[in-house]
Amino acid sequence: AQSVTQLGSHVSVSEGALVLLRCNYSSSVPPYLFWYVQYPNQGLQLLLKYTSAATLVKGINGFEAEFKKSETSFHLTKPSAHMSDAAEYFCAVTTGGGNKLTFGTGTQLKVEL
Amino acid sequence: KAGVTQTPRYLIKTRGQQVTLSCSPISGHRSVSWYQQTPGQGLQFLFEYFSETQRNKGNFPGRFSGRQFSNSRSEMNVSTLELGDSALYLCASSLSPQGANNEQFFGPGTRLTVL
Repeated sequence: AQSVTQLGSHVSVSEGALVLLRCNYSSSVPPYLFWYVQYPNQGLQLLLKYTSAATLVKGINGFEAEFKKSETSFHLTKPSAHMSDAAEYFCAVTTGGGNKLTFGTGTQLKVEL
Repeated sequence: KAGVTQTPRYLIKTRGQQVTLSCSPISGHRSVSWYQQTPGQGLQFLFEYFSETQRNKGNFPGRFSGRQFSNSRSEMNVSTLELGDSALYLCASSLSPQGANNEQFFGPGTRLTVL
């Protein structure tokens, strides 16, 4: 069975500051890992995914994540936060590239002026 | 290209009733998955359909069921509604059931409120 843990249900940063959202995974087989973003009253949008190719994955809107097997982590970062980044972020895992995603509990990102 | 469409967007039902939610995938996509999102349990996988066959099922009671039609459109049904079924139900579509390049696209969801 696989699972993901997102540390910090709420994260607050200043506009222009570094964004760091944490995700740790547990999987008995090589995982595929994802970060999704959800804006209010909307569905999920894929930011980026790791599928066992490059360990540093670049996504949309300036986000990137690094897969670290030794730390079982897949943290999401963005060098400079923008007000439009305020949303809820979900880390998810699946195995074999299948569609059955297991999600973390989400991190609400707040960006302050 | 139109995205994933879910209807209705909002729904209010009372306990004991049943409800049917609809999902139209992106044109050409043959895999449809359903997820339930609640504040308490978060995002949970309900089931996945591909070519009219259920491929995967999450840990939900039998009151939750689904189906997929030959045009890949999918419906999910919840019978004997309970208060705890109040949730945002998300549908996602993809070209295939798996693969490194496979990507799921989510619809805006159906907000179900059970009174």
